[in-house]
Amino acid sequence: EPEVTQTPSHQVTQMGQEVILRCVPISNHLYFYWYRQILGQKVEFLVSFYNNEISEKSEIFDDQFSVERPDGSNFTLKIRSTKLEDSAMYFCASSAGGWQETQYFGPGTRLLVL
Amino acid sequence: TQLLEQSPQFLSIQEGENLTVYCNSSSVFSSLQWYRQEPGEGPVLLVTVVTGGEVKKLKRLTFQFGDARKDSSLHITAAQPGDTGLYLCAGLIQGAQKLVFGQGTRLTINP
Repeated sequence: EPEVTQTPSHQVTQMGQEVILRCVPISNHLYFYWYRQILGQKVEFLVSFYNNEISEKSEIFDDQFSVERPDGSNFTLKIRSTKLEDSAMYFCASSAGGWQETQYFGPGTRLLVL
Repeated sequence: TQLLEQSPQFLSIQEGENLTVYCNSSSVFSSLQWYRQEPGEGPVLLVTVVTGGEVKKLKRLTFQFGDARKDSSLHITAAQPGDTGLYLCAGLIQGAQKLVFGQGTRLTINP
């Protein structure tokens, strides 16, 4: 069964460093999302992406964050200058034919900022 | 701010018992999805409900979407230790592109 994959599974970085989290959505899906989950808290929406453009973003998704679809398969989340409070699980998700379609999640990247 | 309140947050019962988990909101959802999440992993989809009043069954799990599409429930019959885990509800806000998640129900089934 097709699934969303994410790399790396774990990332440790120093405060102020840039990180890039990578995702490979399900192959025929067109809509992509990033969510995050701080330890012990709810899963929170960050951004949605379609047709090489951001469609919606939350207030968490400030200028330090960016997303890109550099080729036909990868979808990346970049954090330019990490802060301690960026430590969280980051989940990529994708859906098939529209915003109302079911979203399927990847296994996540655990980011720890020291 | 759209909120999805999930209850109970913790539930520990004996094998064979029945249980119900609730998700409630004042917002109307286009659809509502139930996920199960294991520690350190991503949410795994169990079911999507779309139509008000819809009932879906997945073996011993029964999912219901409220008539007004503001609430949902998950009922487990004859719970088994393998049902132990974190259950999440997530609603798709009408006209938006994001899921709003409940805080989860951590379920423990004791043998």
